[in-house]
Amino acid sequence: EAGVTQSPTHLIKTRGQQATLRCSPISGHTSVYWYQQALGLGLQFLLWYDEGEERNRGNFPPRFSGRQFPNYSSELNVNALELEDSALYLCASSTQGFVGINQPQHFGDGTRLSIL
Amino acid sequence: KQEVTQIPAALSVPEGENLVLNCSFTDSAIYNLQWFRQDPGKGLTSLLLIQSSQREQTSGRLNASLDKSSGRSTLYIAASQPGDSATYLCAVGDSNYQLIWGAGTKLIIKP
Repeated sequence: EAGVTQSPTHLIKTRGQQATLRCSPISGHTSVYWYQQALGLGLQFLLWYDEGEERNRGNFPPRFSGRQFPNYSSELNVNALELEDSALYLCASSTQGFVGINQPQHFGDGTRLSIL
Repeated sequence: KQEVTQIPAALSVPEGENLVLNCSFTDSAIYNLQWFRQDPGKGLTSLLLIQSSQREQTSGRLNASLDKSSGRSTLYIAASQPGDSATYLCAVGDSNYQLIWGAGTKLIIKP
């Protein structure tokens, strides 16, 4: 069984640009979660998508957005990049969100976004 | 606001020892508590998930306990091995269906 896959592995951008990160969940999982892991700040919840809908959002500005496609894959878009957006962005998937709240989340290896 | 604390931040022990990692949280209204490990440059691997109605979960050499009333969880690792070296993170599932994370304990097992 293929795990959660994220692309690209690394992404280098400059301030003000836009970045798109992609995530494919485990087959059969309908929920996708995005997290930011910045150096010294730990893991912060960004977004949760389930069945194509945004279910919850962490304390991040609107320039962080995303979507979930009919095949349950997901994109995270970050607009107007700032230096402090440099971080490892992790995607996780689980079975259906509200019912599957007590199911473990399975993580990809992340996309390392570096802002120059 | 839920806050999750992990102590110690780092731990180094000789191979073969049993050890305990601690996690505390401020709000007892949780859905579950999960323990993960993260290897350098990698994503997270789920180790154990304890639902709010449960007291403990076991998987192989790992045992996690949950005491909601005191806001504490422990991860017990028996007979530690060098391959156990990683950062261990605990996260609580809160009433907003979010995972709130601790900062992790970096564990080094010395051969």
